Amino acid sequence: EPEVTQTPSHQVTQMGQEVILRCVPISNHLYFYWYRQILGQKVEFLVSFYNNEISEKSEIFDDQFSVERPDGSNFTLKIRSTKLEDSAMYFCASSERRDSNQPQHFGDGTRLSIL
Amino acid sequence: AQKITQTQPGMFVQEKEAVTLDCTYDTSDPSYGLFWYKQPSSGEMIFLIYQGSYDQQNATEGRYSLNFQKARKSANLVISASQLGDSAMYFCAMREGWGNTPLVFGKGTRLSVIA
Repeated sequence: EPEVTQTPSHQVTQMGQEVILRCVPISNHLYFYWYRQILGQKVEFLVSFYNNEISEKSEIFDDQFSVERPDGSNFTLKIRSTKLEDSAMYFCASSERRDSNQPQHFGDGTRLSIL
Repeated sequence: AQKITQTQPGMFVQEKEAVTLDCTYDTSDPSYGLFWYKQPSSGEMIFLIYQGSYDQQNATEGRYSLNFQKARKSANLVISASQLGDSAMYFCAMREGWGNTPLVFGKGTRLSVIA
């Protein structure tokens, strides 16, 4: 069964450094998302992306964050200058269509630890 | 106000028994989708089951079924014949409208299956 893949599985970074989290969505999916989950808390939406543009972003997704689809397969989340509070599990998700009945399929996540 | 409420932070169930995980939601949009995801201790998010607001019948997917009570705005997950591998966090989530809208998650319920 096709799946969303995320790399790396765990990233440890010094505060203030830039980090890029990578995702390969399911190949025929057109809608992409990033979510994060701070340890022990619920999953929170960051940003959605379609047709090389941001569709929607949450208040968490400030100027330190950016997303990009650099080629036909990868979808990246960049944090420019990491803060301690950015430590979380980051999930990439994709869906085939935008209808509300379409499940979003999640990757296994990247655990980001900021020191 | 919370869009998704999961009132049970933790649940225990005996192996082979059935268990119900509660979820209530809040929306004024007539079109929405309700989803359940499983998150094992390894951290990945696994899509389990979906219920659409216009669906006439309760969704079923193997041992998972959804007790959808639209008037009460509840979408409880029923797991039949529990297995040890069902021990995990379970998240209820909702998408509103027909656009490329994000998932909004509840705080989750931790299910522990006892042998």
